[in-house]
Amino acid sequence: ETGVTQTPRHLVMGMTNKKSLKCEQHLGHNAMYWYKQSAKKPLELMFVYSLEERVENNSVPSRFSPECPNSSHLFLHLHTLQPEDSALYLCASSQTTGPRETQYFGPGTRLLVL
Amino acid sequence: GQQVMQIPQYQHVQEGEDFTTYCNSSTTLSNIQWYKQRPGGHPVFLIQLVKSGEVKKQKRLTFQFGEAKKNSSLHITATQTTDVGTYFCAVGGSYIPTFGRGTSLIVHP
Repeated sequence: ETGVTQTPRHLVMGMTNKKSLKCEQHLGHNAMYWYKQSAKKPLELMFVYSLEERVENNSVPSRFSPECPNSSHLFLHLHTLQPEDSALYLCASSQTTGPRETQYFGPGTRLLVL
Repeated sequence: GQQVMQIPQYQHVQEGEDFTTYCNSSTTLSNIQWYKQRPGGHPVFLIQLVKSGEVKKQKRLTFQFGEAKKNSSLHITATQTTDVGTYFCAVGGSYIPTFGRGTSLIVHP
């Protein structure tokens, strides 16, 4: 499945580093999402973009900064993260936003913050 | 957003045994989706149910939507080691689907 790609697949960073996660979808979708998945919590929705505009931000700390330059690309900029931010970060896309829209997930970036 | 409870959290079975996971909501749902995430993988869409009492099958998997549209189940007949993974339900909220906590299925050969 190569509809949604994410880079890097693995990332180790210190708490003072700045890094960015990249997501690209090749499905012609108009909505893109960032999720956080950690061992002890369910899938946590972080951000939703529809037609390149942020439509939802689920009380995510400001050390996570999303960017959606066009409908095919989504970034998550990371700075001064904490060890508890270590998790699998999943990007997803759907045709549009809506409760019945199927979400297509990328392979994820596994992040370790030291 | 919509709240959904998914049970059990974990299920160990011997290969060949059946498996069922349930999603329950206190409110009427517009729809429910099911996803599977293999170990080390990402969630992959399986199916969507929309109609009251709807039943859909995919080979050994049977998906059911309750008559009151407040619950759903996924049943796997005669599990195989390839069924290992976490099964999530996602319920239709006002805006985007809300995911349950998932049921992790462990199949012992």
